[in-house]
Amino acid sequence: QKEVEQDPGPLSVPEGAIVSLNCTYSNSAFQYFMWYRQYSRKGPELLMYTYSSGNKEDGRFTAQVDKSSKYISLFIRDSQPSDSATYLCAMSGDSGYALNFGKGTSLLVTP
Amino acid sequence: GAGVSQTPSNKVTEKGKYVELRCDPISGHTALYWYRQSLGQGPEFLIYFQGTGAADDSGLPNDRFFAVRPEGSVSTLKIQRTERGDSAVYLCASSPEFNSPLHFGNGTRLTVT
Repeated sequence: QKEVEQDPGPLSVPEGAIVSLNCTYSNSAFQYFMWYRQYSRKGPELLMYTYSSGNKEDGRFTAQVDKSSKYISLFIRDSQPSDSATYLCAMSGDSGYALNFGKGTSLLVTP
Repeated sequence: GAGVSQTPSNKVTEKGKYVELRCDPISGHTALYWYRQSLGQGPEFLIYFQGTGAADDSGLPNDRFFAVRPEGSVSTLKIQRTERGDSAVYLCASSPEFNSPLHFGNGTRLTVT
């Protein structure tokens, strides 16, 4: 079993919908939690970066971390076709750099 | 400003050949990382540089893989005696300092035939 589990999808939603993406993990030492967006043939682009538990909001994006359940989420409000991409969750322990990624969830937002 | 630059963007090589992949980090970023992403998977950590030295190379799969960063800026990932299983996208990332968010380049897509 991998340390980070993420449903690969694909997930298809209509424009304007609220999107919920999530990951579960098994390593209780993880403290840094990130969400990356990756367009086809591009590198991962950092969307959200949080430390420990709690919520963080940035524009249409909200990240939630529940360390007691080992569960993290990314919510996208008012989704746009330009949000169509693969979303990767990533996390690490004290090192902060040896990121453990999920497989990524493929999202398609249809006009 | 300019992001992380990786060259070449694509590389096709024959099994058994030697390849070098180059990474130019964001100016001023002291930390540099290499990751490998196979099809349908998330990136996997290979090696981390702080300045010129490899602070952690625990992710390198075997001794055919080696990376250098001689002047603390540009880094080169070197793969000897390539195998078909080495085919993947090799991603470079940099960050301003230890424990700050990573910024990735667009990767080098390596295909070993």
